[in-house]
Amino acid sequence: EAEVAQSPRYKITEKSQAVAFWCDPISGHATLYWYRQILGQGPELLVQFQDESVVDDSQLPKDRFSAERLKGVDSTLKIQPAELGDSAMYLCASRVTSLGDNEQFFGPGTRLTVL
Amino acid sequence: QKEVEQNSGPLSVPEGAIASLNCTYSDRGSQSFFWYRQYSGKSPELIMFIYSNGDKEDGRFTAQLNKASQYVSLLIRDSQPSDSATYLCAVNGIDTGGFKTIFGAGTRLFVKA
Repeated sequence: EAEVAQSPRYKITEKSQAVAFWCDPISGHATLYWYRQILGQGPELLVQFQDESVVDDSQLPKDRFSAERLKGVDSTLKIQPAELGDSAMYLCASRVTSLGDNEQFFGPGTRLTVL
Repeated sequence: QKEVEQNSGPLSVPEGAIASLNCTYSDRGSQSFFWYRQYSGKSPELIMFIYSNGDKEDGRFTAQLNKASQYVSLLIRDSQPSDSATYLCAVNGIDTGGFKTIFGAGTRLFVKA
């Protein structure tokens, strides 16, 4: 069964360091999302890609976060420098397209702890 | 600001009972509605989706949608301890760039054996 892959599954870093997360969506899924989920809250959208283009990054803290999906397939989310408040689960999700109603499939997530 | 509201719980029900989870949303233009289950430390997994007013049943789960009241609910019949999880309500609506999904904060359900 096709799945969204993410790595690493867990990351511990010190504040001011750089971290990067990787996501490989389900093959053929044009839309890719990065969410941040703080404990006890729902997922919050950070960035949405349609193929290689960013269509929504309004909630992405652009002073420290960046995201890319160069070939419209896999994607990387980077944080530099990391801050204590960035500790959260980072979820990647994909769907066939954002232009119609269809299910989002989530990856297993990356649990980030910033010390 | 488009919002999705859920009671954080925890909602505690005995095994075999019906669990009722509720969600309200602010955007009247919302078009589709999803319920996800999330076990502690895991990623969300889709349980059901509903587009039209009324009820939709799938096994022990029933989703109910009332667009006039901007209300969607999930009923879990014959609740099992394995149903203990956080249930996230998600709402899709048209926004710049296509459909945008907004998640509620989730309701924690605890089913007592």
